[in-house]
Amino acid sequence: GAVVSQHPSRVICKSGTSVKIECRSLDFQATTMFWYRQFPKQSLMLMATSNEGSKATYEQGVEKDKFLINHASLTLSTLTVTSAHPEDSSFYICSAKPWDRKEKLFFGSGTQLSVL
Amino acid sequence: AQTVTQSQPEMSVQEAETVTLSCTYDTSENNYYLFWYKQPPSRQMILVIRQEAYKQQNATENRFSVNFQKAAKSFSLKISDSQLGDTAMYFCAFMSFGNEKLTFGTGTRLTIIP
Repeated sequence: GAVVSQHPSRVICKSGTSVKIECRSLDFQATTMFWYRQFPKQSLMLMATSNEGSKATYEQGVEKDKFLINHASLTLSTLTVTSAHPEDSSFYICSAKPWDRKEKLFFGSGTQLSVL
Repeated sequence: AQTVTQSQPEMSVQEAETVTLSCTYDTSENNYYLFWYKQPPSRQMILVIRQEAYKQQNATENRFSVNFQKAAKSFSLKISDSQLGDTAMYFCAFMSFGNEKLTFGTGTRLTIIP
C-alpha cells in the first residue's frame, strides 16, 4: 500500500525557536496534502490544505504566519511552526491524496512537538 | 458545514464479542464518502472501512462491517469476533465529493478485554 513518511516523529524545542516537519509520499504523487493537529484524547482538527505549487489554504482560526506550509513538489510538503510557544505543543499529522484517487487519503505517522 | 457526531466516548467489550460503534452526521449534500479510521496507541491512522453514499450495499472488510442509513444520516461500525488488537480510538469521518477535506468525529475509545 501507499506510504506517507513523516519526520521527525518527536521533537522537543525551546520556546521561540522554529521547527520544521516533513511529509513525504514515497510511492505516489500527491497534488494535495493536509495538515492536522491533535490534542491529547481529542480528534484531528484540520489546519490547512497544501496544494503543490500554490499557497496553502488555512482553516479558520489557524494563523498562517505561525504555521508556514510549503508544498514545493508532488511528493513533499513541510509544516514549519515558527517562534514556537508551549501552547503549540501538540501532535501534528499529515495526510496525502494521490492525484488520481480523491477518496484515498494516506496518513503519516505523526509528529509529537513539545515546546519547553 | 458538515458535522460528525460520535456519542460514545468510551466502550469496552470482551474478546470475541461483537461491538457496534455509532456515528451520525449532518450534511445537505447527496454525494459523499464516509470512513471509519482506527488510531491505535502508536497513533498511526489506519483506514478500517469506506462507504460511498451512492451505494446502498453496506461495506464490509473481514470482521468489520457498517450499517449505513442514508436517510437517517447514520453510519455505525460493527466489529465481529473482537480481538485484543482492536483496542484503539475509532474515528468516523466524512468527505464530500466536491471537497477533499475530511471531517472527523470526536472518536470512541474502544477497549477489548481479555
